[in-house]
Amino acid sequence: EDQVTQSPEALRLQEGESSSLNCSYTVSGLRGLFWYRQDPGKGPEFLFTLYSAGEEKEKERLKATLTKKESFLHITAPKPEDSATYLCAVPLLTGANNLFFGTGTRLTVIP
Amino acid sequence: DADVTQTPRNRITKTGKRIMLECSQTKGHDRMYWYRQDPGLGLRLIYYSFDVKDINKGEISDGYSVSRQAQAKFSLSLESAIPNQTALYFCATRNGRLGLDTQYFGPGTRLTVL
Repeated sequence: EDQVTQSPEALRLQEGESSSLNCSYTVSGLRGLFWYRQDPGKGPEFLFTLYSAGEEKEKERLKATLTKKESFLHITAPKPEDSATYLCAVPLLTGANNLFFGTGTRLTVIP
Repeated sequence: DADVTQTPRNRITKTGKRIMLECSQTKGHDRMYWYRQDPGLGLRLIYYSFDVKDINKGEISDGYSVSRQAQAKFSLSLESAIPNQTALYFCATRNGRLGLDTQYFGPGTRLTVL
């Protein structure tokens, strides 16, 4: 059965305190992994797509990495505006390429 | 202007009422999706459409129906709303011609069924 598990469920960081969020998956034939950011009451906003193990992508204070079993979203020196829920998703192995989402990590950065 | 818009943004209704949520996009994408989001359960797919003549059920389609009126418009209907359909509803679009490509989400509709 396809599974996407994100940990921790919630994370509180002091401003400037770097950390990592985890997304582990068990899907057949991974063809990519997506990271989204979601602010309260808003739609998910695309951050990254990773296609193969070893791939890394960066955007400002965020860096996403991918292995054969999991992905990490590293947050370096976070600021309060980085507070949000971070979602990861994988496409299911069907012709539709529909995304299967994890439940997210709610990040709070305290000034 | 936003690429993916949803109306209404908030709706409160009563059990048994018929409700329609609308989604419009200006991205020119062929594929459109409806999701619901509940606390602790993440985003779950209700219906998806590859074009105006291709509608498919998702993970949780019971109690919902959809209509793809044009490439740019995709509506979700609750024929007889019930309280456990209280949730955040999101529309998303994707360019299916690019293979494995990103889904772009609308701002959401918060639906409360009393």
